[in-house]
Amino acid sequence: RKEVEQDPGPFNVPEGATVAFNCTYSNSASQSFFWYRQDCRKEPKLLMSVYSSGNEDGRFTAQLNRASQYISLLIRDSKLSDSATYLCVVNPIRGTGNQFYFGTGTSLTVIP
Amino acid sequence: EAEVAQSPRYKITEKSQAVAFWCDPISGHATLYWYRQILGQGPELLVQFQDESVVDDSQLPKDRFSAERLKGVDSTLKIQPAELGDSAMYLCASSAYLQGMGSKNIQYFGAGTRLSVL
Repeated sequence: RKEVEQDPGPFNVPEGATVAFNCTYSNSASQSFFWYRQDCRKEPKLLMSVYSSGNEDGRFTAQLNRASQYISLLIRDSKLSDSATYLCVVNPIRGTGNQFYFGTGTSLTVIP
Repeated sequence: EAEVAQSPRYKITEKSQAVAFWCDPISGHATLYWYRQILGQGPELLVQFQDESVVDDSQLPKDRFSAERLKGVDSTLKIQPAELGDSAMYLCASSAYLQGMGSKNIQYFGAGTRLSVL
């Protein structure tokens, strides 16, 4: 079983729509969670960390459900510039060090 | 803003040739990672260093790939000989391992090296 699983999409949504992505992780002891954004042929960049209580940054809201072992990303009022691949990242912080596990990414295209 | 530096940005080589990629992490970051990313997939860890020591190289094809971080700062990833299936983006990332800091253990990526093996 993969450490992190995401629906690859693609998600094609009109401008102004609300879209949500989910991601599940297998290690119940995982401690840190992140969403990264990756534009085509570019490097991943941190979008937001995911806190236990959930957190919001403008139009973006991240939630963590430890009981069901999933995290979510909600994008409200989608913009054309939100078109990208969104990577779910989990950091188990095991004894061997600072390891990160990536999902395959969810592709989003916002349509005019 | 401090960045992870990688070079070259692009590399075209013929199969059976040797290639090398270089990475300079953000100053002070003890942990350095090399990832391989194939189009449409997430990054796959090849090797992880903590200072100059290898922490995880379980996914590194050791018959042809090697990595070093001799002084615990910059790092080199080498492929010899290159094969057609090695064509991918090679990403370097670094993080400051902050024990107990949870969500502040953030990875920063370089721009990557796009390798094409012909």
